[in-house]
Amino acid sequence: QSALTQPASVSGSPGQSITISCTGTSSDVGGYNFVSWYQQHPGKAPKLMIYDVSNRPSGVSNRFSGSKSGNTASLTISGLQADDEADYYCSSYTSSATLDVFGTGTKVTVL
Amino acid sequence: QVQLVESGGGLVKPGGSLRLSCAASGFTFSDYYMGWIRQAPGKGLEWFSYISNSGTIIYYADSVKGRFTISRDNAKNSLHLQMNSLRAEDTAVYYCARGLGGGYCSSTSCYHAFDIWGQGTMVTVSS
Repeated sequence: QSALTQPASVSGSPGQSITISCTGTSSDVGGYNFVSWYQQHPGKAPKLMIYDVSNRPSGVSNRFSGSKSGNTASLTISGLQADDEADYYCSSYTSSATLDVFGTGTKVTVL
Repeated sequence: QVQLVESGGGLVKPGGSLRLSCAASGFTFSDYYMGWIRQAPGKGLEWFSYISNSGTIIYYADSVKGRFTISRDNAKNSLHLQMNSLRAEDTAVYYCARGLGGGYCSSTSCYHAFDIWGQGTMVTVSS
């Protein structure tokens, strides 16, 4: 099972909105509404930001939103802030492997 | 507060064994599915093991199947990972994590979002 494809990097200025894509296949992202997104600051554990495509866990800012179209899921960060600078990983249910497949990761830079 | 704390990492030679533990606190451990996720240096995340709240349902990724064993002790609020026949490619930070809600499993595959993570413990496999 190959990793889901994410852009290596995305950048934006404070206050702007950015979108991170996560592209898979009909065996994973496109076939099921089971996509999660994680934020990871350097040297820290990942933090769950979105689950089941578009749900936010308690305590996560509503500046973070998730969606899906076809085989591509997306994470949008609105009102970009300095603390949003981190690595972001998507993960998805896959019928091709036993456990979720993760994306390749995207480094978000706040200019 | 809700917390997971891993321990047991270290340096081990190829072919050797190591046992990781994860101590849970601040929540009813026996209510939650748990997972182990690892991250090789400078690389992405890999979810490789999963156990139901009762311990009766267990899954492994192909990369560790037959070498690693996940277990839990609900009376002691602890999760364990026995790692045998370790290889250089097992070198990584190992995280334990709590599953959010019920997750989803078909007959062959599972999905779960993980809402609480430990700080991680480093495992280095090298001669």
